[in-house]
Amino acid sequence: EIVLTQSPGTLSLSPGERATLSCRASESVGSSHLAWYQQKPGQAPRLLIYGASSRATGIPDRFSGSGSGTDFTLTISRLEPEDFAVYYCQQFGGSPLFTFGPGTKVDIK
Amino acid sequence: QVRLQESGPGLVKPSQTLSLTCTVSGGSISSGSYYWSWIRQPAGKGLEWIGRIYTSGSTNYNPSLKSRVTLSVDTSKNQFSLKLNSVTAADTAVYYCAREFLWSAMLDPWGQGTLVTVSS
Repeated sequence: EIVLTQSPGTLSLSPGERATLSCRASESVGSSHLAWYQQKPGQAPRLLIYGASSRATGIPDRFSGSGSGTDFTLTISRLEPEDFAVYYCQQFGGSPLFTFGPGTKVDIK
Repeated sequence: QVRLQESGPGLVKPSQTLSLTCTVSGGSISSGSYYWSWIRQPAGKGLEWIGRIYTSGSTNYNPSLKSRVTLSVDTSKNQFSLKLNSVTAADTAVYYCAREFLWSAMLDPWGQGTLVTVSS
């Protein structure tokens, strides 16, 4: 099983600040097989980034993804109030086909 | 715009079978371009992929649940379903259904989720 580790567990920031979230895989993941999701309390996850760096439809350009191999990053350039949430990375292609990281919570400082 | 909606009992007794249905609206489940997945999330915890089904009935399961899970699809109703047998309290979670564009490696959109509690 490909295990995803996310850091930090919690990121405390103020609106307008830059958020940098890390996702590390236990073995190499194809760049086209890495996605990021945002989840707010009581809501389903929402796709933000696919293929490591492509924004999903309707996602603001303050969200960006990068990385390859075992190290991937989600960056939120300037935090808006609605961005405070939990973020999950997800890989595809191992066994099981989909696995998720434990999440990073971005909360208001 | 495609929307997914989960439905089913919110309470299941231990050792019984959990049964959920996902209804797809705004598009055809038979289009042939998508896989249809189930994912679950225990309260306050992370996401666990359960399995996926193609319109042909072809399936892939999470090995950790494979012995207890059955997915099926009903194209006439534009629905797909999950059965999880021999449930325990550890199966208590919010269950989501989601769509995957063929081998796209991403799940989008997701249903709103339904809470299933396993308790006597």
